[in-house]
Amino acid sequence: GIQVEQSPPDLILQEGANSTLRCNFSDSVNNLQWFHQNPWGQLINLFYIPSGTKQNGRLSATTVATERYSLLYISSSQTTDSGVYFCAVSRSGSARQLTFGSGTQLTVLP
Amino acid sequence: DAGVIQSPRHEVTEMGQEVTLRCKPISGHNSLFWYRQTMMRGLELLIYFNNNVPIDDSGMPEDRFSAKMPNASFSTLKIQPSEPRDSAVYFCASSSTAGSGNQPQHFGDGTRLSIL
Repeated sequence: GIQVEQSPPDLILQEGANSTLRCNFSDSVNNLQWFHQNPWGQLINLFYIPSGTKQNGRLSATTVATERYSLLYISSSQTTDSGVYFCAVSRSGSARQLTFGSGTQLTVLP
Repeated sequence: DAGVIQSPRHEVTEMGQEVTLRCKPISGHNSLFWYRQTMMRGLELLIYFNNNVPIDDSGMPEDRFSAKMPNASFSTLKIQPSEPRDSAVYFCASSSTAGSGNQPQHFGDGTRLSIL
């Protein structure tokens, strides 16, 4: 199956700092999503981004499908950004299920 | 608009009991997915349905697990008999195949299952 690797596994920031999270995948994809799992365990959709660039407030994401990676940028981080960030992909073709990376645990300190 | 609705939110039961988890997908979505999250294995697919038909159940751990989708607005995941190693958070997600054929998946809040 497709492999998804996220880095770094852990990240600790001071409030107000910027960060970049990376997701590498091993095959061509027709779906790529970034999620934030909050302290209550909810999976919050951040971006649906199989290719290109999107922005939503302080967050933005870029996927370079030809080079098989995606980046999630968090600017001016806040304590509420803490949690685990997951990248998930579906391989191109008939497969529709998402394969998740192991996540980046982000802690933003006040 | 209502999102994916899962029930119960929490379930604690004793080993050997039957457990039924429920999911209501977003109205108009024709694909439904069950995922499980554990510390050891992370988030992994158990089964998914397209137009109420099971398409891929290769992630279902063993015969103790079964899933049904009797209509477009309801699905169940059943474990019988339950074992302590089934303790996990179970997520249901739904999506549409309209347009390009692969749309984002939307997740419910999950069911946190503890088997004693």
